[in-house]
Amino acid sequence: EVQLLESGGGLVQPGGSLRLSCAASGFTFSSYAMSWVRQAPGKGLEWVSAISGSGGSTYYADSVKGRFTISRDNSKNTLYLQMNSLRAEDTAVYYCAKYPLVFGVVIMYYFDYWGQGTLVTVSS
Amino acid sequence: EIVLTQSPGTLSLSPGERATLSCRASQSVSSSYLAWYQQKPGQAPRLLIYGASSRATGIPDRFSGSGSGTDFTLTISRLEPEDFAVYYCQQYGSSPRGTFGQGTKVEIK
Repeated sequence: EVQLLESGGGLVQPGGSLRLSCAASGFTFSSYAMSWVRQAPGKGLEWVSAISGSGGSTYYADSVKGRFTISRDNSKNTLYLQMNSLRAEDTAVYYCAKYPLVFGVVIMYYFDYWGQGTLVTVSS
Repeated sequence: EIVLTQSPGTLSLSPGERATLSCRASQSVSSSYLAWYQQKPGQAPRLLIYGASSRATGIPDRFSGSGSGTDFTLTISRLEPEDFAVYYCQQYGSSPRGTFGQGTKVEIK
């Protein structure tokens, strides 16, 4: 059974930093691209960042580029999101999500599994 | 960037009724790369449909997706009590920079 478990959320002041983690189990973690998606309170879903299975390719939404860094440790089956220079508008539940593979090799950029989310609140 | 517009914003229906949700794209979605998700309060989204019309594993057959190009539809043939939730469409392509619609809430009338 695929499981994604986020941690690391909390209250942080504007300009501060936070690192989110997502522990994965139930699949061969290193074979799959992964992503972070966020949802501001009462709002819709916003894609934040993605990383290839090897970690060699990373992608960012314009709203977080230069401030957030996605990474992974395949030996620990863990995905990370380092968030720096946080702003009030970064306040959201952050979900870790997995991309599926077709025929074992082709990445499809929809999300077949999601974690339960971790809340990040940026406020003074 | 492709913008997705979902309508209506809220759909008020009774259990047993048919629900029809629309997702319109600002430009053609290649290869029908459109997905639908269900989200209940306090829960993560759950994949329902991918490739515009393929049901995800374990999704009941009362959920169906259709459409191509710029117009897509999610249909719930007979609403069950557990189907009252918010539904999002997402377009995806050859890069991770997919976009979501703003959501349609299906509420009990």
